[in-house]
Amino acid sequence: KAGVTQTPRYLIKTRGQQVTLSCSPISGHRSVSWYQQTPGQGLQFLFEYFSETQRNKGNFPGRFSGRQFSNSRSEMNVSTLELGDSALYLCASSFEQGNYGYTFGSGTRLTVV
Amino acid sequence: GENVEQHPSTLSVQEGDSAVIKCTYSDSASNYFPWYKQELGKGPQLIIDIRSNVGEKKDQRIAVTLNKTAKHFSLHITETQPEDSAVYFCAASISGANSKLTFGKGITLSVRP
Repeated sequence: KAGVTQTPRYLIKTRGQQVTLSCSPISGHRSVSWYQQTPGQGLQFLFEYFSETQRNKGNFPGRFSGRQFSNSRSEMNVSTLELGDSALYLCASSFEQGNYGYTFGSGTRLTVV
Repeated sequence: GENVEQHPSTLSVQEGDSAVIKCTYSDSASNYFPWYKQELGKGPQLIIDIRSNVGEKKDQRIAVTLNKTAKHFSLHITETQPEDSAVYFCAASISGANSKLTFGKGITLSVRP
C-alpha cells in the first residue's frame, strides 16, 4: 500500500512569503502529525490533526498553522517566512490519535532565502 | 517537559560487530519508546518500539532494552551490515490522545565493510 506522500519535495521561498505544504496519509490513517527537522534542533513537534481537528500543538509561533480535510489529507502553512524556517518538514500518519506506529513521509525541504 | 538525550553522537563499527545506542529521558511518566532509522533523503522509519510494561523486545538483529528506574533505554544491533549505516533517533512519549513524541538529537552509525 502507498506510504505517506508529501508534496512538494523541495521548495525555495523568499523571506516574507508564505508557503503551503501538503501531506497525504496512508489510506485508513486518520491522524496526521507534522514535525520540523533542523540540524541544530533535531525533530520538533509542530501539531497533530485527527478527524479534522487540531488535537495537540508544539511550541511554534502562530505563523505556523495547519488543517486536515475530511479525507484525512493535511496541509500546513507558514506565513511571513523567516530564514530560520529553512528546514525539512516531515509529516507522519497513524491510525489512531497519539503517536503509536507513526509512518513518516520523505518530507518537504524548505529553503528560505 | 520531556527531554531525551542520545549518546554518543556518532558511532563507527566494523561489519559483523554489535552496535549499542543509548538514550536517557527525563519524565518518569513516559511510557512509549520508539526507535527510528533515517537514511539520506528519506523520512524516519520506525524500526522497533517498546512500552514501559516490558523490559526488552527483539526483532531479528535488533533489540531494545528499557530501564525505567534509571530512565534509560538502548538499541542493540547485532551482526551489523553496511546497510545499517544511517542516523538513528530515539524518542519518548506519554501515551494518550494528546501525546507527542520528543526525539533525541540522533546518532550517525557508520558500519565499515
